[in-house]
Amino acid sequence: AQRVTQPEKLLSVFKGAPVELKCNYSYSGSPELFWYVQYSRQRLQLLLRHISRESIKGFTADLNKGETSFHLKKPFAQEEDSAMYYCALKNTGFQKLVFGTGTRLLVSP
Amino acid sequence: EAQVTQNPRYLITVTGKKLTVTCSQNMNHEYMSWYRQDPGLGLRQIYYSMNVEVTDKGDVPEGYKVSRKEKRNFPLILESPSPNQTSLYFCASSRSGRAFFGQGTRLTVV
Repeated sequence: AQRVTQPEKLLSVFKGAPVELKCNYSYSGSPELFWYVQYSRQRLQLLLRHISRESIKGFTADLNKGETSFHLKKPFAQEEDSAMYYCALKNTGFQKLVFGTGTRLLVSP
Repeated sequence: EAQVTQNPRYLITVTGKKLTVTCSQNMNHEYMSWYRQDPGLGLRQIYYSMNVEVTDKGDVPEGYKVSRKEKRNFPLILESPSPNQTSLYFCASSRSGRAFFGQGTRLTVV
C-alpha cells in the first residue's frame, strides 16, 4: 500500500537557520512525489514536484529511491516560510494523491 | 484565473440535518476529489471522481455522498451529519498530480 510518512509534527527554527522537512514513502512502483504548502489562512498550493527538479522560494527536494525519501530543504529559513507542509505521492498513470500528516514549520526571528 | 471555488466557507449545523458543500472548478479537469483535514491526521481523501458520472470512495467515505453530473461541479453531501464529521473540508481538482484546492469549508456539527 502507498504510504507517506512525515515524522515531525512541528519543526521550529530561527531565521537564517537551515531547514529540512523529512518525508519518507512506501510504494512498490515508480512514484511521483510532491510538496504542498499551506500558509496561514490560505489554501493548499503546490510548492514543488520531483520531476521538475526546480527550486521554489529557495526550497529544493531530491528524490532518493534507495532511502525512499523526498526531504524538503532550504539553506536559510525566512519568517515567511512559516506554514504547514505536506508531502504527497502519486501513482504514475493515476491521479490520486496520498498525503502525509504534515509538518508545521515555525521560523522565529 | 485557474481556481476551485467551494461554498460555504463556514457552516454550523445540527446533527441529522442534511447539508451540501458545493465545489466548482474552471480548469476543465477530469479528476476531482474531496478531503477532510484533521489535526494530526493530515489530509484524508473522502471521495474522488475520474470524470462525469464516475465517482469512487476514497479512504474515509462513511457518512458522505458525492455526485458529478457536470465536469466543473463536484458537490459533497452529508445526508445525516454527526459530530465526528466536524472538520475542515477541501475540494481539489487536479491533472498530473498538480492539485488546485478550494479555500476550505469549516464544518461544525453540534
